[in-house]
Formats: sequence, C-alpha cells, structure tokens
Amino acid sequence: DGGITQSPKYLFRKEGQNVTLSCEQNLNHDAMYWYRQDPGQGLRLIYYSQIVNDFQKGDIAEGYSVSREKKESFPLTVTSAQKNPTAFYLCASSMGTGNEKYFGPGTRLTVT
Amino acid sequence: AQSVTQLDSQVPVFEEAPVELRCNYSSSVSVYLFWYVQYPNQGLQLLLKYLSGSTLVESINGFEAEFNKSQTSFHLRKPSVHISDTAEYFCAVTPMNRDDKIIFGKGTRLHILP
Repeated sequence: DGGITQSPKYLFRKEGQNVTLSCEQNLNHDAMYWYRQDPGQGLRLIYYSQIVNDFQKGDIAEGYSVSREKKESFPLTVTSAQKNPTAFYLCASSMGTGNEKYFGPGTRLTVT
Repeated sequence: AQSVTQLDSQVPVFEEAPVELRCNYSSSVSVYLFWYVQYPNQGLQLLLKYLSGSTLVESINGFEAEFNKSQTSFHLRKPSVHISDTAEYFCAVTPMNRDDKIIFGKGTRLHILP
C-alpha cells in the first residue's frame, strides 16, 4: 500500500539535544513538507522540498533543519536552538494539480 | 497573500442533528479549496476539495461543502452527524498560481453529544 510513514510516533528528549524525525513516502511524490501543530494554532509550515537536493524555509524554520537526498525521504532535525520544540509534527507529500496533500500519522515530540 | 478563517474553534452538536462548520478565506488570486479531517492523535486526511466545476462537492461519508465565490466561503455541512464524526476539521486554500503553497485555518473541533 502506498503512503507516508513517520517514526517514531512518540519521542522524548532532554532539553539541549538535537533530535531527528523520520518521514518516508512511497507515493512517488516530488514535493514533501513538514508542519508543526500546536493546540488552537492549526498547522504551520516548517520546511518544504519540491525536488531532491532542494528545499525551502517555511514560516517557522528557525531551529530546524532538513535534508532531501532521496525522493522518498525528508528527515527533520529539531535542534537545540528551537526554543519550544514540544509539539506534534506532521509530514506530508503531494503531486499534481490542486496540490492535494497526503499526511503521515505524525510524531509527538516532548522535550523536558 | 491568503488567509483562512474558521469562525468556530469548537462546535457541539447532538448525534443525528445537522451541522455546519464555517470557513471564510481571503485571497487576491483564485484558489483551490480543501477540507481535511484529523481524528485524535492521527495525521490529516482529505475530506473533500473544490478545484473547478460544480460549486457543491461531496465526500463519501455524507459531508458536503459549497464554494461561494461572492462570499469567499467554503462551509462544510452534514445533515446528520454520527459519534464517529468526532474530530478536528481544517479548511485550507491553495492559490492557483502557487500550487506548492497551502494555507490552513486554525481548525474546528466537532463534539458529538449523545
């Protein structure tokens, strides 16, 4: 079955540590996205990539980094510079007119 | 620039009653419109979308939305809700000249009362 996988589902880290969230898709989509979701704030775009080896900052990129070495994979690193990293992180991909996005199940990151 | 306003952060409704979740948008260019649903602790799933053609679009589980260009609205309706409809609903728009971009509303949480 085609889809997007994110791992792990729950992640706990100590403050000051970098952490990498995985996102893999087998939909053959060119574009991939990372969103952050906080209660009552909807989804905010962190980074997006339209093609391999290229990516752009979204609205809240500070404290995050990404790579896109393969079409199927778009990992997100939450660095120690991110002031409030505790959140629900969603990965998505898309292709085609109308930009319908397919979302992964999400990773809930808790930093203490 | 575009923006999406979902007027209600929470909507309580009794089971089998009708519901309308409101969505208004602002954009200087034409847009595509979407409704996504998020069940607890899950990712978002596309519920329905408007790209062109008939302004009334329907989903397979009984929801429908109507695009009203003059009122810049895309309200979501269901004539009779079920307990399984308990979720958060997000309205979103994509400008037709930038289909790499999507702007989400802040979501409406639908509570179904027994």
